Order: sequence, then structure tokens, then C-alpha cells
Amino acid sequence: KAGVTQTPRYLIKTRGQQVTLSCSPISGHRSVSWYQQTPGQGLQFLFEYFSETQRNKGNFPGRFSGRQFSNSRSEMNVSTLELGDSALYLCASSLAGPVAGELFFGEGSRLTVL
Amino acid sequence: AQSVTQLGSHVSVSEGALVLLRCNYSSSVPPYLFWYVQYPNQGLQLLLKYTSAATLVKGINGFEAEFKKSETSFHLTKPSAHMSDAAEYFCAVSRQAGTALIFGKGTTLSVSS
Repeated sequence: KAGVTQTPRYLIKTRGQQVTLSCSPISGHRSVSWYQQTPGQGLQFLFEYFSETQRNKGNFPGRFSGRQFSNSRSEMNVSTLELGDSALYLCASSLAGPVAGELFFGEGSRLTVL
Repeated sequence: AQSVTQLGSHVSVSEGALVLLRCNYSSSVPPYLFWYVQYPNQGLQLLLKYTSAATLVKGINGFEAEFKKSETSFHLTKPSAHMSDAAEYFCAVSRQAGTALIFGKGTTLSVSS
């Protein structure tokens, strides 16, 4: 059974650009959560999608957005990149949600903003 | 608002010694509590979870955690550390099913021979 796949694994952008990250969940999983991981702030929750609907949202500015497709694949977008957006972005999928079921994490997309 | 505090950003133990990683939570209602582990350059993996069925929860790789409501704690323990336990450990809390998991800032465990 394939795990959670995140692409790209590494990317470098400059300030002001935008970036789109992709997440393919485990087959059959309907919930996809996104987290930002940095050395200073740790893991911070961005948002969770369930059956194409955003069910929960963290405390991030509107520059951070996401969506989920009918096949449960998810994308997140960050517009007008800032230096502080440099982080590891982790996607996690689960059958019914992060509490009802185990979260399965991908290896992350490491974003560097110059 | 719910939150978790992990006491000690770095814990060092010798191989064979007891592992104790501390986690305290704040939640206005009985919480769901989790421990996840992250090995270098990998995503997180669930170690164990508490969902009110039993206060002592056993997880994978010999780890266990005890929910103590009076102390608002959910500390992770392992009787005998192994070199392969070296990783970063995260405690997480959720108020109820259908809500997001909120993670602590993590504790890095080092194991020396």
C-alpha cells in the first residue's frame, strides 16, 4: 500500500513568488491535513480537508490556501512568499480525521525562500 | 484554547536506561492525546494514543504513556532505551473528534552507548 506522497520534496523560491505543493494521500483516505514545521515554532496546523471541504483551519494569513480534489489529492498554495515561510511542509492523511484515525505523514516538502 | 507543553527540548539517556519524555496539556474538556515520533528526514509516525478507554496506553516499540487527569499530564516512557530510539518525539492534543491535532514543540531524544 503506497504511503502519503508529497511533491516536490525540495524547492527554492524568492520573496514575492508563489508556490504550490501537492499531496497524494493513502488510497481510501478522505482527510488531508497540512502542517508547517520550523525549528522555532515546531509543528503548526495549517488546515484540514475532508471530502473536498475545509473542515478546520489554523491561524495563518490568507496567503496560505489549500484545496482538495474529488480523488482526495490536496494542494496547498502560498502566495507572495516571505523569508519566514521557509519551512518543511508536511501533509498527513487519515481515513476519517486526525482523531478518529491515525495520521499518516508524508516526508514533506522543504521550501527555502531567498 | 487547547495546547500542549513538552518539558525539555532535549533529553539524553544511555542505552538501557529509562526514557521519560514529559507532556502536559491544557484542555477545557477531556482531550484526545497522542505521541508521534519523527526520525531524521522522515514524516511523523504514531506511537500511541489516548481516547479515554484506559489511562495506561501501550504503543509500538515498547513505549507507553499514562494519562493523569489530576496532573494534566501524558508522559511517555520506555523502560530500556535503544540506540534506534534516537529521534524527535511530539505530544499532540485534540479537543474532540473532527478537530485538528495541536502538537507540542517536540523533544529530541539522544541515546548514547
